[in-house]
Amino acid sequence: QKEVEQNSGPLSVPEGAIASLNCTYSDRVSQSFFWYRQYSGKSPELIMSIYSNGDKEDGRFTAQLNKASQYVSLLIRDSQPSDSATYLCAVRGDDYKLSFGAGTTVTVRA
Amino acid sequence: NAGVTQTPKFQVLKTGQSMTLQCAQDMNHNSMYWYRQDPGMGLRLIYYSASEGTTDKGEVPNGYNVSRLNKREFSLRLESAAPSQTSVYFCASSEKVTGGYSPLHFGNGTRLTVT
Repeated sequence: QKEVEQNSGPLSVPEGAIASLNCTYSDRVSQSFFWYRQYSGKSPELIMSIYSNGDKEDGRFTAQLNKASQYVSLLIRDSQPSDSATYLCAVRGDDYKLSFGAGTTVTVRA
Repeated sequence: NAGVTQTPKFQVLKTGQSMTLQCAQDMNHNSMYWYRQDPGMGLRLIYYSASEGTTDKGEVPNGYNVSRLNKREFSLRLESAAPSQTSVYFCASSEKVTGGYSPLHFGNGTRLTVT
């Protein structure tokens, strides 16, 4: 079983600031990494996927992966009130099963 | 563009009652999953089906059974509901792609309360 740990929240940031979310995982054979956003009462939606070491940017979101340190992070730049949600880190090994962290709740203060 | 459809959206059961949660996907995905989500515990895998005709236990299978009826449909059954099964249940699907599997596509969830 792959263990996935996320920094405990909630995380409160002012509008326009950078929100930084961290995730560590225990299984060294993990190959695929995902960040999902979940609004209250809704289903998770994929916002980022990353497979190789380094940074991947998509709009205001940047995912960073360091397989040697078994660490993946998500940066949200220019945070907006609409970014207020729970962010779930998910990790997949060499099969099709996805393991999730408990999530970090982000609140963006206007 | 329905994606993954779950029914019902809400359900209240009494302890000992049974019910089946339905899930269907129209994306022609081979793999389907059932997760439960409880406060502070993230999503935990109950059962999964790698392809039509196969099912396997996930992290928390006790008290549940599943049926992969065909490629589109994957149902979750609670034979004798317990208050510990009060949760939000999500069905999801994915497909094998070059280099691995696609991300999960989730249904809208079923909110189940067992009294």
